Amino acid sequence: QSVLTQPPSVSAAPGQKVTISCSGSSSNIGSNYVSWYQHLPGTAPKLLIYDNNKRPSGIPDRFSGSKSGTSATLGITGLQTGDEADYYCGTWDGSLNSAVFGGGTKLTVL
Amino acid sequence: QVQLVPSGAEVKEPGASMKVSCKASGYTFTNYYVHWVRQAPGQGLEWVGVINPTGDTTTYAQKFQGRVTMTRDTSTSTVYMEMSSLRSDDTAVYHCARDRNGYYNSFDYWGQGTRVTVSS
Repeated sequence: QSVLTQPPSVSAAPGQKVTISCSGSSSNIGSNYVSWYQHLPGTAPKLLIYDNNKRPSGIPDRFSGSKSGTSATLGITGLQTGDEADYYCGTWDGSLNSAVFGGGTKLTVL
Repeated sequence: QVQLVPSGAEVKEPGASMKVSCKASGYTFTNYYVHWVRQAPGQGLEWVGVINPTGDTTTYAQKFQGRVTMTRDTSTSTVYMEMSSLRSDDTAVYHCARDRNGYYNSFDYWGQGTRVTVSS
């Protein structure tokens, strides 16, 4: 049971847009920055978004992040088959004194 | 370029201990915190703990306290994670990850992970 809640799966057609939600509480998302990761099995996860909405160098602007209250959202536009992966949100939980993740969302590009 | 190179896969019996490592290169090792994150088969990411740049401060997730020890060797730019009293549900891929900015911000570089199998 993950501290942050994500939908298990989302899907959309190539070229379309998808959003992935991440819900938490006042002790985690509500009071700390959120980051997002892309993970293909067998590889190292990749940082997509940090500080709620900032992209590291090299991450295309098709990826965006936002936060409101105790929820965060990852948006991906212009979907490509190469975007098929698992996506995780993460943040710090001050009550647990621990980094926490969502359970992950599997993106399928139909 | 920044690299975090993990140690090789391990197979352990229940009750045994393991020690995995991650060798860093491409950046100033003593400027960054390093975390360990694991992923069990079919499960999501789970944070294990973090070690500070000089290796004298660690924080572990509550479920691992008393069973995990993180250390780092600045002379070889290597971080280590030792876990004792292994159980079958410790079977997972263990990743090291560099923190982008400070104690906790986000994980900007990850190692590919060490697969640890706990089985009799």
